[in-house]
Amino acid sequence: EDQVTQSPEALRLQEGESSSLNCSYTVSGLRGLFWYRQDPGKGPEFLFTLYSAGEEKEKERLKATLTKKESFLHITAPKPEDSATYLCAASILTGGGNKLTFGTGTQLKVEL
Amino acid sequence: GAGVSQSPRYKVAKRGQDVALRCDPISGHVSLFWYQQALGQGPEFLTYFQNEAQLDKSGLPSDRFFAERPEGSVSTLKIQRTQQEDSAVYLCASSLLPSKDEQFFGPGTRLTVL
Repeated sequence: EDQVTQSPEALRLQEGESSSLNCSYTVSGLRGLFWYRQDPGKGPEFLFTLYSAGEEKEKERLKATLTKKESFLHITAPKPEDSATYLCAASILTGGGNKLTFGTGTQLKVEL
Repeated sequence: GAGVSQSPRYKVAKRGQDVALRCDPISGHVSLFWYQQALGQGPEFLTYFQNEAQLDKSGLPSDRFFAERPEGSVSTLKIQRTQQEDSAVYLCASSLLPSKDEQFFGPGTRLTVL
């Protein structure tokens, strides 16, 4: 069964305190690994897609990396506005489209 | 509009009522997905459309759930005889082409069944 697991479930950081979020996956037919940000009451907002082991992508204070079994979202010198739930998802081919299998998310809180 | 829109944003239904949730994808997007998100969980796949064709409905939890996209643009998710366990946020996402992986999500409809 396809499975995506995220850890930790919740993380509290001080402003400027760098850390990493983990996403491990067990899927057959992986097309890509996605990271989304979700704020309360809103839909997920796309951050990154990674397709092959060793690939890295960066956006402002965020960097995503991918291995054959897991992905990391590194947050460097976070700010309070980075507080959100970060979702990881594996893209699996379905009938010509790509459905996403999500983890349960990491709820990040960055404090002053 | 620039993004995916969904209506209503909030829906309260009495158990046994039928509800209809609407999704307006980004104009020109071929692929459309519905997901269900329970409180504190990640979204779970319900169904997928490519234009007007429903190519995957493996995630629909029961035959009370029905989705359509008759003209290949707007989609409606209908839930018949709602139950308390149907309470969740229903998210719609669209992508430009089936080969394009990036899915853009709407704000969701929060359904509460009393």
